[in-house]
Amino acid sequence: EVQLVESGGGLVQPGRSLKLSCAASGFTFSNYYMAWVRQAPKKGLEWVATISTSGSRTYYPDSVKGRFTISRDNAKSSLYLQMNSLKSEDTATYYCARHPIAARLSMDAWGQGASVTVSS
Amino acid sequence: DVQMTQSPSNLAASPGESVSINCKASKSISKYLAWYQQKPGKANKLLIYSGSTLQSGTPSRFSGSGSGTDFTLTIRNLEPEDFGLYYCQQHNEYPPTFGSGTKLEIK
Repeated sequence: EVQLVESGGGLVQPGRSLKLSCAASGFTFSNYYMAWVRQAPKKGLEWVATISTSGSRTYYPDSVKGRFTISRDNAKSSLYLQMNSLKSEDTATYYCARHPIAARLSMDAWGQGASVTVSS
Repeated sequence: DVQMTQSPSNLAASPGESVSINCKASKSISKYLAWYQQKPGKANKLLIYSGSTLQSGTPSRFSGSGSGTDFTLTIRNLEPEDFGLYYCQQHNEYPPTFGSGTKLEIK
């Protein structure tokens, strides 16, 4: 069974940093592009970052480019999101997701999410 | 960025009925449109990708249609477990973008 389990969420002050982790199991992690998607309270889904299988290529929307860094450790089947210079508008539940091989940029497996609150 | 306009925002229906949810892209995305279901306490679920291809495990009462800029998700013979939030997402180009969601409620 495919499982994605996020951790590392919490309350952080504006301007500070936080790192999320996602532990993957039930599939060959190194074969898949992976992503982070967030959802602000009572709002819709917003893609945050994607990383290639080797980690050599990363993609971000303008809203987080230069502040967030996605990375992965294939040996540990783990995905990470380093979030710097956090703003109140980054408050959201952050989901780890898998991009399927056959349907580029869709997401066929999701974690339950990690809650991040940016507030003083 | 491709803007996705989803309608309606809210929908009420009874078990056994059929419903349709629409999604319009601000420019052509070919066939690359996905539909997701979101329910409290459960992981988001990919239902359909590439416009009309059912993800493994998606019941056949779900169907997707459309290409270019206009897409539709149809759910026939609604079951109680179908009620929840539905999102469309274009998976044609970066950045992948989502619609604003449709809340499907029991009438």
